[in-house]
Amino acid sequence: KAGVTQTPRYLIKTRGQQVTLSCSPISGHRSVSWYQQTPGQGLQFLFEYFSETQRNKGNFPGRFSGRQFSNSRSEMNVSTLELGDSALYLCASSLDGGQPQHFGDGTRLSIL
Amino acid sequence: AQSVTQLGSHVSVSEGALVLLRCNYSSSVPPYLFWYVQYPNQGLQLLLKYTTGATLVKGINGFEAEFKKSETSFHLTKPSAHMSDAAEYFCAVSPSGTGRRALTFGSGTRLQVQP
Repeated sequence: KAGVTQTPRYLIKTRGQQVTLSCSPISGHRSVSWYQQTPGQGLQFLFEYFSETQRNKGNFPGRFSGRQFSNSRSEMNVSTLELGDSALYLCASSLDGGQPQHFGDGTRLSIL
Repeated sequence: AQSVTQLGSHVSVSEGALVLLRCNYSSSVPPYLFWYVQYPNQGLQLLLKYTTGATLVKGINGFEAEFKKSETSFHLTKPSAHMSDAAEYFCAVSPSGTGRRALTFGSGTRLQVQP
């Protein structure tokens, strides 16, 4: 069974640009959550999508948004990039939003 | 609100020695508790979880953890460290029995294993 797949693995952007990250969950999983990992703030919850609806949201500005498609694949978008957005973005999927969550290998975003 | 405290950002042990990584949590309701491991350039892998039932939980790779409600702790142990255990370990909590299942993570403990 394929795991959670995140693309791309690495991204380099400049300040002010926007970026879209993609996550394909484990087959049959309907919940996708996104987390940001930085050396300073650690692992922080961004949001969760279930059946194409945002069900839960962390404490991040509106520049961070996401969506989920009917096949449960999810995308995360960050607009007007700032240097502080440099991080490893992790996606996790689960059957229904409960536990356990299965993580992908992440997308490492670097802002120049 | 929930929070997790991991004591010791870095722990160094000799190969074959006991591994003990400490985790304390704060939660107003009984939580679910987890330990994850992260190897360089990889995501998080679930080691073990506690939801209900037996308080001593066995996980993968020989790790186990014990939920102690009176101490609000969920320390991770392994009797004998192996070089391949060198990684970063995260303790996490989530609410039980509610729709909000987001994980709250501790700051992580980097385990170094000396030959």
